[in-house]
Amino acid sequence: QVTLTESGPALVKPTETLTLTCTVSGFSLSNARMAVSWVRQPPGKALEWLAHIFPGDTKSYNTSLQSRLTISKDTSKGQVVLSMTNMGPEDSGTYYCARVRRWLQCIDYWGQGTLVTVSS
Amino acid sequence: DFQMTQFPSTLSASVGDRVTITCRASQNINDWLAWYQQRPGRAPKLLIYRTSTLEEEVPSRFSGSGSGTEFTLTISSLQPDDFATYYCHHYTSHSGGTFGPGTKVDVK
Repeated sequence: QVTLTESGPALVKPTETLTLTCTVSGFSLSNARMAVSWVRQPPGKALEWLAHIFPGDTKSYNTSLQSRLTISKDTSKGQVVLSMTNMGPEDSGTYYCARVRRWLQCIDYWGQGTLVTVSS
Repeated sequence: DFQMTQFPSTLSASVGDRVTITCRASQNINDWLAWYQQRPGRAPKLLIYRTSTLEEEVPSRFSGSGSGTEFTLTISSLQPDDFATYYCHHYTSHSGGTFGPGTKVDVK
């Protein structure tokens, strides 16, 4: 059974760095047919793809947020970490990690999401 | 910049209605398009990938079609569980993903 579980702070202050962890089970981060993405959703708004990481450590980022994002993984722990610097109120929302089926180029499993609020 | 658009943004319908949602890509994406359903407070759920292939256990009243830049999601007979927001999504291993702005299907 594939599961992804996000964890991290529910509240961050403006200008701080957000660090979120995605812990996966039911598949390996070394599986060449899979990748892990992060997606976010401001309250009442659309989904926004943020970043992905492949087993070989190849990474891609949303071009408009690239300067603020870092994605990394620890395969042995089954964890993918996303960092976003200089957080502002517009970054508030639910952050999801999700598994990518690389050969079909789609996201097939999602975590339940973690709500992050940016406020002083 | 690559973009996905969807229309309508909101669709009011009744149980039993046939519903069609359109998604347009700003450039040719061949058939690399997926559709997701999202209910309030829940994570998105994959319905269709590669334009027209139904994910396992997704009811057959959902179907997808299209190619190139224009795609549609059709629900042949709307059921109570189907009132939700639907997103199209183009993803590539090279450049990542872009979601459409979503279509909310609500009760007429």
